[in-house]
Amino acid sequence: DIQMTQSPSSLSASVGDRVTITCRASQSISSYLNWYQQKPGKAPKLLIYAASSLQSGVPSRFSGSGSGTDFTLTISSLQPEDFATYYCQQSYSTLDTFGQGTKLEIK
Amino acid sequence: EVQLVESGGGLVQPGGSLRLSCSASGFTFSSYAMHWVRQAPGKGLEYVSAISSNGGSTYYADSVKGRFTISRDNSKNTLYLQMSSLRAEDTAVYYCVKDAVGQWLVFDYWGQGTLVTVSS
Repeated sequence: DIQMTQSPSSLSASVGDRVTITCRASQSISSYLNWYQQKPGKAPKLLIYAASSLQSGVPSRFSGSGSGTDFTLTISSLQPEDFATYYCQQSYSTLDTFGQGTKLEIK
Repeated sequence: EVQLVESGGGLVQPGGSLRLSCSASGFTFSSYAMHWVRQAPGKGLEYVSAISSNGGSTYYADSVKGRFTISRDNSKNTLYLQMSSLRAEDTAVYYCVKDAVGQWLVFDYWGQGTLVTVSS
């Protein structure tokens, strides 16, 4: 099974900050890594797919990078609407696909 | 506009059964693999099951294998999840999810979710 580990589990930041969330896979998954944003009471929303491709309609302040086992999601300048929980997900195999989540809170 | 609308959730006793449905519109349903993802209250996302576009291939997480059955009716644009031998740990919001174009396991559209509560 491929284990996905996100860090940190929670993060406090201010509007305008640059924020980076890390996701590590237990084995190489090439670029089969996606990022989702979930707000309370809502379904997740696809932000980044294939490690670095921005989903249509997603603001350009979101970016993704990495390959193999180490990946990052960066928000260049936090906006009030960005405070949410973020999940990485590997699409290399159907086993254990999601990370445990990173909750981004307002400082 | 793509829409995925789940239904069928509710309160069920341990050991009971429930069938979830997901009505799809706004895209060619028969061309896409579909999935179920669940989220226990206050917890993270857990992948549950997948079905290929023609229904010929299915996949289940170990936690539900042998108890859940995924199926689809392409003539009705509807995805199903038949759940049996339900346990307390199956309590969750169940999301119907669509694959992105040409991207297996990349979920570009999600339903609003339906809550399943397993409790006596």
